[in-house]
Amino acid sequence: GAGVSQSPSNKVTEKGKDVELRCDPISGHTALYWYRQRLGQGLEFLIYFQGNSAPDKSGLPSDRFSAERTGESVSTLTIQRTQQEDSAVYLCASSLQGARMNTEAFFGQGTRLTVV
Amino acid sequence: QQQVKQSPQSLIVQKGGISIINCAYENTAFDYFPWYQQFPGKGPALLIAIRPDVSEKKEGRFTISFNKSAKQFSLHIMDSQPGDSATYFCAARDFNKFYFGSGTKLNVKP
Repeated sequence: GAGVSQSPSNKVTEKGKDVELRCDPISGHTALYWYRQRLGQGLEFLIYFQGNSAPDKSGLPSDRFSAERTGESVSTLTIQRTQQEDSAVYLCASSLQGARMNTEAFFGQGTRLTVV
Repeated sequence: QQQVKQSPQSLIVQKGGISIINCAYENTAFDYFPWYQQFPGKGPALLIAIRPDVSEKKEGRFTISFNKSAKQFSLHIMDSQPGDSATYFCAARDFNKFYFGSGTKLNVKP
């Protein structure tokens, strides 16, 4: 695809259930990021992938959150035993590798997660 | 600790006026400073970006001013239009990790 694709676009789940959020980055982008955006708030960093390794998981808020990435392709963010505080928009972004390149991060539309 | 501090949180400007949003940082390893624009229900989209070896960059009505010694940078929107009403995020990159400001909600009144 031409851009970063996220699915589902909306997800309503019951408290205590597990959810999986999917991100398809732009082809060829080796870096992939997950951010969380609560209503009216800024972007909260969750995790960063370089290829299929995650050198920075410092933003994951608890052990209920995990993420994986297959090669330089799809990433899945999993939230186990969801809580109402997990309700937010989860944004995925990807970028080309390279500290010396003017490489912007391209964002997907996000997945709006509502825990009821 | 927030790596990039952004102000103001919200801004109301009359049509035709100048909108100014400010950001400050401490990490001297940051090497790339983009600004993102986000409309409701959409993901952020790159608006304009600057590298620290440049003091100003202009693209149409949008200008970034960069003060390396003060570790500050700002976005100026000239001749602000109602269609510019959105949330704006400044960001800074340290190698491959992007840090975002908390966002400024801009409302341009007709």
